Formats: sequence, structure tokens, C-alpha cells
Amino acid sequence: AQKVTQAQTEISVVEKEDVTLDCVYETRDTTYYLFWYKQPPSGELVFLIRRNSFDEQNEISGRYSWNFQKSTSSFNFTITASQVVDSAVYFCALSDNYGQNFVFGPGTRLSVLP
Amino acid sequence: DTAVSQTPKYLVTQMGNDKSIKCEQNLGHDTMYWYKQDSKKFLKIMFSYNNKELIINETVPNRFSPKSPDKAHLNLHINSLELGDSAVYFCASSQSFGGSEQYFGPGTRLTVT
Repeated sequence: AQKVTQAQTEISVVEKEDVTLDCVYETRDTTYYLFWYKQPPSGELVFLIRRNSFDEQNEISGRYSWNFQKSTSSFNFTITASQVVDSAVYFCALSDNYGQNFVFGPGTRLSVLP
Repeated sequence: DTAVSQTPKYLVTQMGNDKSIKCEQNLGHDTMYWYKQDSKKFLKIMFSYNNKELIINETVPNRFSPKSPDKAHLNLHINSLELGDSAVYFCASSQSFGGSEQYFGPGTRLTVT
């Protein structure tokens, strides 16, 4: 069975600090996909990034960066120079290649204080 | 234009009633989904629907039934509502089955009294 663990339930940082959100996954598949989603206080779910299991290249998008390491089954998300608008619940998710198993982690609530 | 829309945004009803939530996507996607998010923010997939193939999460009570009149719509019908059904329900769509990112609707907050 597939599983996603986000051990950090809540994180609080002060604006401009860097913060890393951890995601550890479990799967027996060789082909799988990893995702991050953001859920701001307004409630909508916003897609951030998708990674397939064969692409371990790290990605940077503005202040956001992602570190995918198959050796440790982790897909961590770092926000550099955090801003108040980054305050949200962040979900890591895992999908198999067939779409029959799409699992979200429990989420990490990030609070960025001014 | 809204990519994935849901109606209604809020739904308050009494136990035992039957209700429906509508979902429409204008992204041309082949696959649609329904999720339930409980009060602790846990997101759980309920159904995925692709080219008339329905995959049901086995933990979903059969009081819940998805209905898809066409590829752009996936409605959720709930019979005999119970207090425990209170949650936020999200519709989503993706380009294809497996591995595609999903785009979510704004959610429907269902309150059963």
C-alpha cells in the first residue's frame, strides 16, 4: 500500500526565514509520481509541482525548491525567505502510474509571522 | 474562466436527506475525482472516473454515488445523509489517469444537522 508521511504537523517561522517541509513516502512501485499542493486559508487546493520517479533532479521555482531523494524516499519542499502569504497547509501526495492509488499526506500547517 | 467549478459552495441539510453536489471542468481533461476533507484537513479520495471507468475507494459507503453525464461533469449524489458526512468535498480533474497533476474545484462545505 502507498503511504505519505508529513511528520511536521505545524511549523511557525518569522518572515524572511527559510523553512523546509518534509515528505517521506512508501511505495513498492518503480514508477510513481509525487506532488505538492498548497491550501491557503481561503480553502482552495493549488497544485505546486509534480515529479516522476525517474527524475531526481531538484527543481527551483522562485522562492520554492524541491529536493527529491529516492534513496531516502523523500520529497522535501523548501521555501526561501518566507512571506506571510506562504501561510497555508501544504500537502505532499503520491500516485501510482495507473491513477488507482492517489494518496495525500496529512499536511503541514505553515504559519509565517510578520 | 473557472477551470473546475462546484455548486453549491455551502450545503446545510438535515440527517436522512438526499443531496447532490455538481462539478464541471472546462479543461478538456479525461479524468475526474471526488475527495473528502475532514475537519482535521485529511484528504481522502472517494472516486476517480475516466472514460466511464469508475474506481471506488472501498471505504466509501454505498450511500455515495458519482454520476457522470459527460466527460466534463462528475456529480456526487449522497443518500440518507448522516452527521459524519459533514466535511468539505472537493472535485478535481486531471489530463489523464495516473501521474497527472490534479486541478481542484473550490470545495463544497457540507453540514449535516
